[in-house]
Amino acid sequence: DQQVKQNSPSLSVQEGRISILNCDYTNSMFDYFLWYKKYPAEGPTFLISISSIKDKNEDGRFTVFLNKSAKHLSLHIVPSQPGDSAVYFCAASAGAGGTSYGKLTFGQGTILTVHP
Amino acid sequence: GAGVSQSPRYKVAKRGQDVALRCDPISGHVSLFWYQQALGQGPEFLTYFQNEAQLDKSGLPSDRFFAERPEGSVSTLKIQRTQQEDSAVYLCASSLLGGNSYEQYFGPGTRLTVT
Repeated sequence: DQQVKQNSPSLSVQEGRISILNCDYTNSMFDYFLWYKKYPAEGPTFLISISSIKDKNEDGRFTVFLNKSAKHLSLHIVPSQPGDSAVYFCAASAGAGGTSYGKLTFGQGTILTVHP
Repeated sequence: GAGVSQSPRYKVAKRGQDVALRCDPISGHVSLFWYQQALGQGPEFLTYFQNEAQLDKSGLPSDRFFAERPEGSVSTLKIQRTQQEDSAVYLCASSLLGGNSYEQYFGPGTRLTVT
């Protein structure tokens, strides 16, 4: 079963506009959520994260929102830049201090293309 | 280097061959994870080491898959008698703390193609 889902395989936006990437999860044990960015032939790179005790975390152009009741999170990028074009993965973890050891469950990814 | 490195970057194996994939984590990182990423999918957890101890191998798809980290630094993922369904990118990630840090640093991966 897919515990983390990114239902949009791709997203295309114009430079300077907002990009919104969405992610849904089913496992209520998840307590930490991360977004990773991946360029071709490279490994995923950590972008931003949020703990389940928060509903928003902001870092420069990137903001992650968490709606626990809906089991939904989103990544907002504003303004979008052509260099943001990459695959974005949502990931979730259930208690790094426990027996899950912080292992990550990933969504399928969303390909973001930002046009100049 | 400062990051996680993996070798080889690309590996082509004939069905039935054994392969060994190497991961050099960031120096001092206690935790090491292996993930498998099939084409068009997100990475999927395979196994976890805390120092030299393999604490979770629940994601290994079959007993043909074996991982080790004998001295608590470099790790090797071995796949015996490779099958076509093993074709994927194998990612290694490390993190600083022993199971208390969520942020993982990934290597570039090894792309395995089984023909």
